[in-house]
Parts: sequence; C-alpha cells; structure tokens
Amino acid sequence: GAVVSQHPSWVICKSGTSVKIECRSLDFQATTMFWYRQFPKQSLMLMATSNEGSKATYEQGVEKDKFLINHASLTLSTLTVTSAHPEDSSFYICSARVLGSTGALVPSGEQFFGPGTRLTVL
Amino acid sequence: AQSVTQPDIHITVSEGASLELRCNYSYGATPYLFWYVQSPGQGLQLLLKYFSGDTLVQGIKGFEAEFKRSQSSFNLRKPSVHWSDAAEYFCAVASWSNSNSGYALNFGKGTSLLVTP
Repeated sequence: GAVVSQHPSWVICKSGTSVKIECRSLDFQATTMFWYRQFPKQSLMLMATSNEGSKATYEQGVEKDKFLINHASLTLSTLTVTSAHPEDSSFYICSARVLGSTGALVPSGEQFFGPGTRLTVL
Repeated sequence: AQSVTQPDIHITVSEGASLELRCNYSYGATPYLFWYVQSPGQGLQLLLKYFSGDTLVQGIKGFEAEFKRSQSSFNLRKPSVHWSDAAEYFCAVASWSNSNSGYALNFGKGTSLLVTP
C-alpha cells in the first residue's frame, strides 16, 4: 500500500518550453502532497506543499509563477515548470502525506515518495 | 530552528562488515525521526522511523537505529552490509509547520555509502 507514482520519469525539453509533471497516489487518498527538488549529490529541498482544493504553499525563495502546482483531486497533484531554463534542470520528487485511520493527520508526518522525475532543459 | 546533520558525506565499507551512519538533530520538542534510502535515480524508500517508546527501532533490510535523546542522535546501523546496500541515505526529522498546517520533513544532506567486495 501507499504507492506514489510520477510521470514522466525523465523529460528533456528545450529552453523556454513548459513541462508538466504528474504525481499520483495509487492506492490511497492524499489531501496533502509535497514537491521537492534535488540537485546532484545533495539533499531534498522542499519547494511547496500542495493541498487538495486550495492554493499551494511555497517555501521561501521558490517562484510560484515559475513552478505552478495544481492539486485538483485527492489522488493527483501536478507541477508545471513554466518557461524552463537550463538552471531548472534537476530531479523533482513528490511525496504524499497519509491520513491516519481516524482521518486525522498521522502525527509522525510520515510521507511516501514517488520515484522522481529527471528534468533536463537544453 | 530544527535541523538535521549527517556528518559523513561518504562512507566506504567492505561487504559483510558492520555499518553505522550518523545523524544528529536539533529540535526543541520530541522529534519524529526517519531514515530513508535512495538508490541512483530513484525516489526515497523509508527504512525505519521513531515516534516514541522503545529507543531501538527495527527497520527493513536488516537496518536498525537507536534514538539517544542525551546525544540528540539517531544513528543507523546494520551488522553486515550487502553490496545492494550501496546507496544514498538520508536522515530526516518531522517538525510542525504552521504554514503547512501539518508536519513537514527536514532532511540531512545525506551520506553516500559505497560497498567494496
């Protein structure tokens, strides 16, 4: 259980184009999904928190107009990198927070991660 | 502010040898602690977690970790390493985020494990 998928797993695009990455929770409902960015040999940096039916919360320094996040349903969140440039090349990982059996947030904050999307902007 | 420190960037061990990866945290309240493993080009897989209770936590793949409040540490151990354990290991602490109205994960910078024959 608690499987998270991402699509595509790898994308190459030209500078100036936009790229959409999908994050899906396959066997559970996720009211909250997170988007991380990981540079080579570095840790995961939280970009934004995506809540179903509401606007995403962005971390300091992350351009919300650059990285558009939509969480239209309880199983799908999308990240769109608009007008991508080579410096946006990175590994993007999503995760989903699991609700406890009572419906309340699991206080541990446990998250399940997708396999990641490698974005290369030429 | 909460933070996680993994002092070792790289560690090399021989197959069959024991392993200990260090993790220190800075957090005012009782922490929720995690260890994740990431294989090349892959997402993160949860190895184990600590919420409360027994300070020695057993995880998957033969890993264990011990929470030591006095040392603010949560070191990961394995008695005998296999070649397939070569990967990047991340320690993380969950802390409450008012902006997110929930818990968010803060990750250490990771430790890269190399296993030699």
